[in-house]
Amino acid sequence: GAVVSQHPSRVICKSGTSVKIECRSLDFQATTMFWYRQFPKQSLMLMATSNEGSKATYEQGVEKDKFLINHASLTLSTLTVTSAHPEDSSFYICSASTQGDTQYFGPGTRLTVL
Amino acid sequence: KQEVTQIPAALSVPEGENLVLNCSFTDSAIYNLQWFRQDPGKGLTSLLLIQSSQREQTSGRLNASLDKSSGRSTLYIAASQPGDSATYLCAVIRFGNEKLTFGTGTRLTIIP
Repeated sequence: GAVVSQHPSRVICKSGTSVKIECRSLDFQATTMFWYRQFPKQSLMLMATSNEGSKATYEQGVEKDKFLINHASLTLSTLTVTSAHPEDSSFYICSASTQGDTQYFGPGTRLTVL
Repeated sequence: KQEVTQIPAALSVPEGENLVLNCSFTDSAIYNLQWFRQDPGKGLTSLLLIQSSQREQTSGRLNASLDKSSGRSTLYIAASQPGDSATYLCAVIRFGNEKLTFGTGTRLTIIP
């Protein structure tokens, strides 16, 4: 149980385009989903926290207009990187939890912006 | 602000040896501490979770300890195997806050 999936696993896009990443909890309802970013050989940095039906809460330094997060249902959250640039290339990982319980992590999405 | 540090950043040991990975945190008001494993280009696998009221947790060849007063946790791996090669991350959750703060990670290589 407690499986979280992400789609796509890898994406390559041109600079200036937008990319959407999906995070799904497959066998449980996630009241809260988290989005992390991980640069090469660095640890995970929390970008934002989203609760179902509410606006996401962004960490300091993360541009909310650039990283659009939607958590429209208890099993799906999406992260859209708008007008992507090469410096947005990173590994994006989501996690999901139920009412403050353990976070279950997705397998990650590798974004490369050319 | 909570800061989590892991030492060493990288470690190579011969197969079969026992080893210890270290994690330190600056704010002792934690709810729990978790150890994760991350293989290259992959997501996270949870290894052990220690509640703030506990001092250690064990799973197979892994043993994690927690000393809140000193702000430290260790992950002990017994009889290491090449399959243990990965990056190990510790993370803490503060009381009243769902957010995980991750450590800097230790990249472990087990030499056959």
